[in-house]
Amino acid sequence: NAGVMQNPRHLVRRRGQEARLRCSPMKGHSHVYWYRQLPEEGLKFMVYLQKENIIDESGMPKERFSAEFPKEGPSILRIQQVVRGDSAAYFCASSPLRSTDTQYFGPGTRLTVL
Amino acid sequence: QKEVEQNSGPLSVPEGAIASLNCTYSDRGSQSFFWYRQYSGKSPELIMFIYSNGDKEDGRFTAQLNKASQYVSLLIRDSQPSDSATYLCAASSTSGTYKYIFGTGTRLKVLA
Repeated sequence: NAGVMQNPRHLVRRRGQEARLRCSPMKGHSHVYWYRQLPEEGLKFMVYLQKENIIDESGMPKERFSAEFPKEGPSILRIQQVVRGDSAAYFCASSPLRSTDTQYFGPGTRLTVL
Repeated sequence: QKEVEQNSGPLSVPEGAIASLNCTYSDRGSQSFFWYRQYSGKSPELIMFIYSNGDKEDGRFTAQLNKASQYVSLLIRDSQPSDSATYLCAASSTSGTYKYIFGTGTRLKVLA
């Protein structure tokens, strides 16, 4: 009965490289949310996806960031040409079929950009 | 700009006391509210959710919601040192996508 899984747990990238973060929702959950938490700050919504659909990406920076949730496999948050300001904890949360249900968080990926 | 506000703290309480954490929200249409606990370097862990006005109790925790005042609170009875963490209040957005709007969190310290 696994919870939300994220990998890698820690990711180090140099400026200009790409970061790829993966999230597998809880079994039976079809809604995935990505949040970012900067050091000493609260969680900020980035994007909400269902299988093969981006529902709300209003929190995503317009450039360099993209997300997908394919029919098969995990959800991916991709950051191209990373900059130091991208260093943060990225959390994925999932909820069941009804999107009003409670969101359960994964352990997060801590991205460090050198 | 829809916001959720919390006092950042730290809120210090002695062991065994009641800790009271407060949260206000600006979107009057918000329907669902959540309290998460986050230990340093860890992910948020759900404590309670509340949808209806009034109190909801679960063990040592009581969530209170007052929609008229746009106010949510969390009471922790018999506080323990292990309760020391940051407590995040979240409101479910009314935009139709049910994303959460989080407060910045209140840091709680329970003194042994």
